[in-house]
Amino acid sequence: EAGVAQSPRYKIIEKRQSVAFWCNPISGHATLYWYQQILGQGPKLLIQFQNNGVVDDSQLPKDRFSAERLKGVDSTLKIQPAKLEDSAVYLCASSFGQLQETQYFGPGTRLLVL
Amino acid sequence: SQKIEQNSEALNIQEGKTATLTCNYTNYSPAYLQWYRQDPGRGPVFLLLIRENEKEKRKERLKVTFDTTLKQSLFHITASQPADSATYLCALVRKAGNKLTFGGGTRVLVKP
Repeated sequence: EAGVAQSPRYKIIEKRQSVAFWCNPISGHATLYWYQQILGQGPKLLIQFQNNGVVDDSQLPKDRFSAERLKGVDSTLKIQPAKLEDSAVYLCASSFGQLQETQYFGPGTRLLVL
Repeated sequence: SQKIEQNSEALNIQEGKTATLTCNYTNYSPAYLQWYRQDPGRGPVFLLLIRENEKEKRKERLKVTFDTTLKQSLFHITASQPADSATYLCALVRKAGNKLTFGGGTRVLVKP
């Protein structure tokens, strides 16, 4: 079984630029999550999708971050404009259902904002 | 405010010994708690889940306890091996809602 795929693996941008990350969850997983993990900290949930609907985006900085999952499969997370404090690893995870069972994480995208 | 605390200092342990990690929480009513392992440059990998009405769970060399009175979970790695070296994260799911909230993780280094 293929795992959660993410791209790119690394990205370096300057502040005020925009960036987008892509995630392909495990086949058949209805729930998809985006986390932000700052160095030395645990992952922080940014947004959770159930199929193509948003379940929780309470910690998503909506003035600069956006995410979509149009067909209930792949998802993209965008930052526009980026700030220095956005430097982090962005993790995508998926699970079969919504009841927070085992989550399967992708390798993450490491973002550096200069 | 709600907090999930794990020891931020790395745990250095000799091969063959038991590593014990703690996860303390405040102002939470967790429905269950999960432990994950994270290697450098990789995403977390699920290890164990323990529910609020369970005292202990085991999986191979891993053991997790959950004390809702003390608001604490302990994670044990018995007969530790250098391959167990990684960061271990605890995560709670509250009764109200189903969001997973992670602690900061504890890095374990097992020396041969």
